Amino acid sequence: SQKIEQNSEALNIQEGKTATLTCNYTNYSPAYLQWYRQDPGRGPVFLLLIRENEKEKRKERLKVTFDTTLKQSLFHITASQPADSATYLCALVNSGSARQLTFGSGTQLTVLP
Amino acid sequence: GAGVSQTPSNKVTEKGKYVELRCDPISGHTALYWYRQSLGQGPEFLIYFQGTGAADDSGLPNDRFFAVRPEGSVSTLKIQRTERGDSAVYLCASSPGTGSHEQFFGPGTRLTVL
Repeated sequence: SQKIEQNSEALNIQEGKTATLTCNYTNYSPAYLQWYRQDPGRGPVFLLLIRENEKEKRKERLKVTFDTTLKQSLFHITASQPADSATYLCALVNSGSARQLTFGSGTQLTVLP
Repeated sequence: GAGVSQTPSNKVTEKGKYVELRCDPISGHTALYWYRQSLGQGPEFLIYFQGTGAADDSGLPNDRFFAVRPEGSVSTLKIQRTERGDSAVYLCASSPGTGSHEQFFGPGTRLTVL
């Protein structure tokens, strides 16, 4: 069966450290993968997109890697801040499908001051 | 500019009733999506519109769910004979539809079926 799994439901880290979140997928052939941030009571907000032929993408303090052999994406936040505390969702679009996103269940990140 | 808006923000209804949820996408966005999110889960795809037509409705759980987008802008998600299991946050998203794959989400409508 098809699955998208994010490493843990909750992750606590100290301010200033690097947060690393994991997204693993099974029985998908993603054309691309996206990461979203979701705050309580709000809709998800797009952060980064990485295509199947890309290994790494960066945007300010954010970095995403994509390994289609391991079927895994890693999402890094460097120099984390309490304001980074939120739920982070990975989502993929399967090759050959329309543009709908299939989401993981998210990882709730808390950055402790 | 204005983002995606959804109304109402909260809807409480009784089992068996009919509800309509409205989505106003970002102006000019041709693609519109509906998702459903239960507590502790990621959003689950329901239906995707490109313009006025439903390009993919494979995520609609059953025939009690229906969505329209008659003029290619505002969309309405309609749920007939609501059940308690329909309780969730219904999210709408839009995207420019050509080239860009980023989806812009609204704040959602929290539906509670008593």
